[in-house]
Amino acid sequence: AQTVTQSQPEMSVQEAETVTLSCTYDTSENNYYLFWYKQPPSRQMILVIRQEAYKQQNATENRFSVNFQKAAKSFSLKISDSQLGDTAMYFCAFMNSLANYGGSQGNLIFGKGTKLSVKP
Amino acid sequence: NAGVTQTPKFQVLKTGQSMTLQCAQDMNHEYMSWYRQDPGMGLRLIHYSVGAGITDQGEVPNGYNVSRSTTEDFPLRLLSAAPSQTSVYFCASSYAGLNSPLHFGNGTRLTVT
Repeated sequence: AQTVTQSQPEMSVQEAETVTLSCTYDTSENNYYLFWYKQPPSRQMILVIRQEAYKQQNATENRFSVNFQKAAKSFSLKISDSQLGDTAMYFCAFMNSLANYGGSQGNLIFGKGTKLSVKP
Repeated sequence: NAGVTQTPKFQVLKTGQSMTLQCAQDMNHEYMSWYRQDPGMGLRLIHYSVGAGITDQGEVPNGYNVSRSTTEDFPLRLLSAAPSQTSVYFCASSYAGLNSPLHFGNGTRLTVT
């Protein structure tokens, strides 16, 4: 079974600095998707960034980028120029791209989350 | 465009009571799912559906029932609430394609006393 591990329950960073959140996963599959979701105090789940396992190039979205190491099964999130609005829980998630869930490729496996605090 | 709408936002139940958490989406998504979020546990999949009339169990299905009579709606039923079901519940939906991201509702906070 696939598992997702986030080893940092809490982190803090000064405003305008850079922070990296760690995520490792375990799977025997070769094709899959990885995600980072942000959950601010409003409880809303917001997709931050997505990475397809078959793509070697690391995904980037403005201040957010990932370091995807497929062989090491590592998927870290780097937040540059941290802003107060980045304060949130961050969840790493895995999705199998194979149809062995009867076509339910949307089933996500989440890590336990990292609580990020950005300090002024 | 409302997206994924969950009702109610908050609910308190007594042990043994039943209730239905509602989820509706207006994006014509084939795939819908329910997750529960507990402190220190992340989100765990309860049930999912790949289309009207088709449902299946996720990681933690015990104590919950679902049905999918229309594309738009995917209610989650608690037949006899237990304190262990105290949690925040999220409904999510997407198109069936691999490139379609999940859209989440805003969650329902359920407390069972």
